Parts: sequence; structure tokens; C-alpha cells
Amino acid sequence: EPEVTQTPSHQVTQMGQEVILRCVPISNHLYFYWYRQILGQKVEFLVSFYNNEISEKSEIFDDQFSVERPDGSNFTLKIRSTKLEDSAMYFCASSVGSGFEQYFGPGTRLTVT
Amino acid sequence: RKEVEQDPGPFNVPEGATVAFNCTYSNSASQSFFWYRQDCRKEPKLLMSVYSSGNEDGRFTAQLNRASQYISLLIRDSKLSDSATYLCVFPKPGGQNFVFGPGTRLSVLP
Repeated sequence: EPEVTQTPSHQVTQMGQEVILRCVPISNHLYFYWYRQILGQKVEFLVSFYNNEISEKSEIFDDQFSVERPDGSNFTLKIRSTKLEDSAMYFCASSVGSGFEQYFGPGTRLTVT
Repeated sequence: RKEVEQDPGPFNVPEGATVAFNCTYSNSASQSFFWYRQDCRKEPKLLMSVYSSGNEDGRFTAQLNRASQYISLLIRDSKLSDSATYLCVFPKPGGQNFVFGPGTRLSVLP
């Protein structure tokens, strides 16, 4: 069964460093998403991506964040200068179409020290 | 009214029990709804999709009441493995932003 994959599973970085989180969505899916979940809190939408551009982003997704689909399979989230409060689980998801079921990757736990 | 609200729980039920959770939403234009389950420190996993009035899959039944703007999830014959947090999720109308409820925690006890 096709699944969304994410790497790394855990990333530890120092404040101010850049991190890139990687995702491989399900191959026939067209919509891609990034979410974050701070420990003990609800899942929060960051950004959606379709047809090689951002279709929607939340207020969390400020200038420190960027997304890219560098090739036909990978979908990346970059945080330019990490802050302590960026520590969270970051989930990638994909869906076949707008408003349809999303399938989530296993997440990357980001720890900023 | 908040964008989405869920029964806070936790629900502690014995094995074999029937349990139901509710999720209320504020935007009457919302069209599709999803129930996900999330285990501790894991990703949300799709449990059920609801595009019309409801859906049933084995022990799980989801019902949508558009007039009252809530969706429910009923679990029959609870198993220990049903212990998880259940998330009510739906896309914002006209957008690509999915709204997640805060979740309802279920513990099924032996």
C-alpha cells in the first residue's frame, strides 16, 4: 500500500540553524501539505502546495519557512533560522484532490536547543 | 461558536462497550468531514470519511447532522487497540486549509 514517507525521523539542531525536512508524498497525489504539532497540542496547518506553488498558508508559515518540490517525488520544508518554539512534530500529508482524504507521513520530530 | 469543538474526554470504557464522540463545527458550508485516530507521538491515521449523511465501516459508524452542525463517531464492541485520540478534521470551505479538532482521548480498559 502506498504511503507517505518522511526523513529524518528526528532532527536535533541549534537555535539559528537551518533545517530541511523531507517528504515523499504518495505518487499519484497532487496536493501536498505540511502540519506541525507541538507536544500535547493540536495539529496545526502550515501550508498547502499544488501545481508547484503554495495554494494556502497559515499565519505560522512566516518568512522563515519555505517549501519546495525540487523534483518529481520530494517535497521539502525549510526553516531558515530555527527558534526554540519551532520544536515540534512536523507532518507531511498528501491527497489526490482538493478536500479529499489526506494521508500523513510518520513525521519528523524537530528539537531545537 | 468555535470553528471546531470536540468532546474533551478522556473517555474510559471497558472492553466491549459502545462509545460515541461528537464534533461540532461552525461553518455550515463545510462539505466533507474525516475522522482520524492518533496514537501518542504518531501521525494521524484516516479512520473514516464522511461526504454525505454518514458512513459505516465494521464497528465504526460516523453520522453527519448538517442542520445541527455536528458529526459523531460511534464505536461498537470497543477493543483495547481502539485506545487513541480521535480527531475530527475538515477542509475550510473554498480553501486548502484543513481544520483539526483538539481530539477526544479514548482509553479502553481490560
